[in-house]
Amino acid sequence: GENVEQHPSTLSVQEGDSAVIKCTYSDSASNYFPWYKQELGKRPQLIIDIRSNVGEKKDQRIAVTLNKTAKHFSLHITETQPEDSAVYFCAASKVVDNNNDMRFGAGTRLTVKP
Amino acid sequence: SQTIHQWPATLVQPVGSPLSLECTVEGTSNPNLYWYRQAAGRGLQLLFYSVGIGQISSEVPQNLSASRPQDRQFILSSKKLLLSDSGFYLCAWSVPHGRWATEAFFGQGTRLTVV
Repeated sequence: GENVEQHPSTLSVQEGDSAVIKCTYSDSASNYFPWYKQELGKRPQLIIDIRSNVGEKKDQRIAVTLNKTAKHFSLHITETQPEDSAVYFCAASKVVDNNNDMRFGAGTRLTVKP
Repeated sequence: SQTIHQWPATLVQPVGSPLSLECTVEGTSNPNLYWYRQAAGRGLQLLFYSVGIGQISSEVPQNLSASRPQDRQFILSSKKLLLSDSGFYLCAWSVPHGRWATEAFFGQGTRLTVV
């Protein structure tokens, strides 16, 4: 089955700096790669996603890149702000028998210091 | 628009007591439904998923069970809770688009403490 590895597990940056979180996956059939942000005690919420037919996607300060050959994808946050502090999860997903088979990484706790 | 309701938000239960968590989805038909558990400071562990009424797949053997009595209703149950069942339980739904996997939408979660 799919195995998603996420690094680093914790990341601390100064406000205004960039943050990069990396994930690798094992199943070449995965075709959808979302990133979720989870604030303390809240539900995970999608912040950006990318399909396997695209190499890069950007939305204001956040961007995701995908390297299908190497089976890795990354989240980039520029000009970080204290409100970016949260746990971020990557996931790799494919459709199997009409089921969205989504596997999550272990998460990265990002702290942005003011 | 689609919404997902999950309740209760918090629950404190004694060891050995039963459990029933409920999740309902509005605004979509035949969704995939999921139960995840998140231990404190940990990742999202998939417990059960369902692609249709009465169809339940279990990811992890445990003393929990799930049922889907209606298209948009998903229930997580236990006959006797263990201390290790404590955690943050999240219900989610998604609808794949043909061969493309898609976003999962999460409920607000239930924080379960077994004492």
